[in-house]
Amino acid sequence: QVHLQESGPGLVRPSETLSLTCAVSGASFNSYYWAWIRQPAGKGPDWIGHVHSSGSPNYNPSLKSRLSMSVDTSKNQFSLELTSVTAADTAVYYCVAVGLLTGNWYWGQGALITVSS
Amino acid sequence: QAVLSQPSSLSASPGASASLTCTLRSDINVGTYKIHWYQQKPGSPPQFLLRYKSDSDNQQGSGVPSRFSGSKDASANAGILLISGLQSEDEGDYYCLIWHNNAWVFGGGTKLTVL
Repeated sequence: QVHLQESGPGLVRPSETLSLTCAVSGASFNSYYWAWIRQPAGKGPDWIGHVHSSGSPNYNPSLKSRLSMSVDTSKNQFSLELTSVTAADTAVYYCVAVGLLTGNWYWGQGALITVSS
Repeated sequence: QAVLSQPSSLSASPGASASLTCTLRSDINVGTYKIHWYQQKPGSPPQFLLRYKSDSDNQQGSGVPSRFSGSKDASANAGILLISGLQSEDEGDYYCLIWHNNAWVFGGGTKLTVL
C-alpha cells in the first residue's frame, strides 16, 4: 500500500522560499511519477507539477519560473521548492504518487502552508 | 474561458439521482479525453471515484459503489458523473480532472447537497 506524508514549515514569510518534502513508503520509485497538488481554502485543487526519478520534471507553466522538484530515492522522498512566495501561495499542499502503468493516484493527507508576515 | 467548467452547486433529495457535469472548453473535444472524477469531504484529500473515456474504457475506484457511474454527452461536450440512490454521505465537493496539453487540469468543483 502506497503511503505518502508531507512535511513542511507551516508558515512561510512573503518573498521567502517554501520547501516541502514527501516521505514515501510502499512504492517503488521507478513505477510512479511524483506530483504536487495544492488547494487554496474554498477552491478546487491545482496541479503544481510532477517529476519522475529518471526524467525531466513537468511544471505548471504559471509556476515554472519559481518552481523546483526533485526525487531522492536514497531517502525515499521527493521534494518541492517554490521561491518568492506571496499570500496567493497559501494553500493545502498534497503530494501524490501516480502509477505509470495503472494511472492510479495516491494522495498524502496534505500540509497547510500559510504565507504571512 | 476555463478548460473545465462545473456548476458550483447542486441539490438533490435522498434516494434520487444527481447528474454532475464537467463541460470542456469548446475548442477541445470530450471524446478524446479520459475524465477522472473525485469526491472530497472537508479536511480530507480528494478520493478517486472513477475515470471514464468510453463504455469500453473506464475504471471504477476501489470500493466505490456501482451507483457512481460515468458517461459523456457529446452534444454538450461534457463528462457526466451520475450518482443514483443518493445518500446523505454523498454530500461533498466533486471535481473532474483531465490530462490536457501536458498538464493535469481540475475543474472548479460542484458542491453537492443531499436534503
